Parts: sequence; structure tokens; C-alpha cells
Amino acid sequence: EVQLVESGGGLIQPGRSLRLSCAVSGFSVRSNYMGWVRQAPGEGLEWVSVIYSGGGTYYTDSVQGRFTISRDSSSNTLYFQMNSLKVEDTAVYYCAEGGAGEPSGFQHWGRGTLVTVSS
Amino acid sequence: QSALTQPASVSGSPGQSITISCTGTSSDVGNYNYVSWYQQYFGKAPKLIIFHVTKRPSGISYRFSGSKSGKTASLTISGLQADDEADYYCCSYTITNKWVFGGGTKLTVL
Repeated sequence: EVQLVESGGGLIQPGRSLRLSCAVSGFSVRSNYMGWVRQAPGEGLEWVSVIYSGGGTYYTDSVQGRFTISRDSSSNTLYFQMNSLKVEDTAVYYCAEGGAGEPSGFQHWGRGTLVTVSS
Repeated sequence: QSALTQPASVSGSPGQSITISCTGTSSDVGNYNYVSWYQQYFGKAPKLIIFHVTKRPSGISYRFSGSKSGKTASLTISGLQADDEADYYCCSYTITNKWVFGGGTKLTVL
């Protein structure tokens, strides 16, 4: 059974850093593409970042250069390093898995972790 | 990258059918059959209900179907039920290897 469990969210001041983790079971983080999707309070879903099985990483423009997605096969965990946080980064961050083949959307999702950026 | 365009809200009565549109560009919806749809209840994680424009994951009701014409994809829900009331989002892969979601559509079952 596939399970994704996010952790690391919380209240953080603008300009500070935070690292999110997504513990994966049921598949290898190296075999499937995985991403982070966020949802600001009362707003819609926003794709933020993806890492493909080949290692390529991509980001939405608003976080490019500030956020870094990575994975660790030894712990089977996906990470999201968020630096220079802004108030507008406040959202629930979901870890999502996309499969091993063609881009098939995001098949499995975690429950999300809330990041609140505020002074 | 701009969000895909969805209607903010749709409504229908139990038993009826509704369709939600999702309009993109030649860089996303118009260029690939990699459109997916998600159902989200308030306070819950999204759930994949359609992928590759028309395919349903295991366990998803046949009442959910997808289609695409040019730069516009559509989700149709037939035989509306009370528990279909939720937010629905489309999503597409793009030519830059990134992804883009629609703004979301709130479905109300009257």
C-alpha cells in the first residue's frame, strides 16, 4: 500500500528557512516522479515542484531559486528545502506521487502539512 | 505559467449530468493527452479521478468521464449524487516539464 506522510510544517518568520519531509512507503522515491503541491487558505491547488525519476527538478516561477526538492533513497524520503520564505508561501503543502511511466498526474497524496509564514 | 481556466462553480440536481471545462494553451492541454482531474473535499487531500484525459484509476466510478478537444478538456459527472459535492481541479503536464492546475470548480448538488 502506498503511503505518503508529510512533516516539518509550522509557524515561521519571513526570511527564515524550513525543510519539509515526506516519508514514503509502498514504492521507491527513485523510481517514480514526485512533487509538491500547495494550497493557500481558501484558495486552489498550485503546483510547486517536481523531481523526475531521472533526477531532473523543476519549480514554479515564484519559488525558483528559493526552494529545492530532493530525495533520499536510503530513507525513502522526499524533501523540500524552503529558504527566504515569504508571507505568500503560507499554505498547506502536499507531497504527491506520480508513477513510474508517462506523466499521469499525481496518483497518491499525503495529508499535507501547514506552513504559516508570519511575523 | 498561467493557471488553466475553469468555471468557478457549477450546479446540478441529483441524477442529472454536469460538465466542467478546463481551458489551457498549446503549451499544455493542447499539446499533450496528459490531463488529469482531482476531487477535493473541504479539509482533505485531493483525489485523482481521471488521468490521461479519459482514464479512470481503479475504484473510481464510471459516472466520472473525461474528454478533450483542442486546448479544452472536460470532466463529466453523470447521475449526480449528493456526495459528488466537492471542488474539482484539472491539471496538465506542460512543454517545460512542469505542471499546471486549473483554478478549481465548486460543484453544488441542489
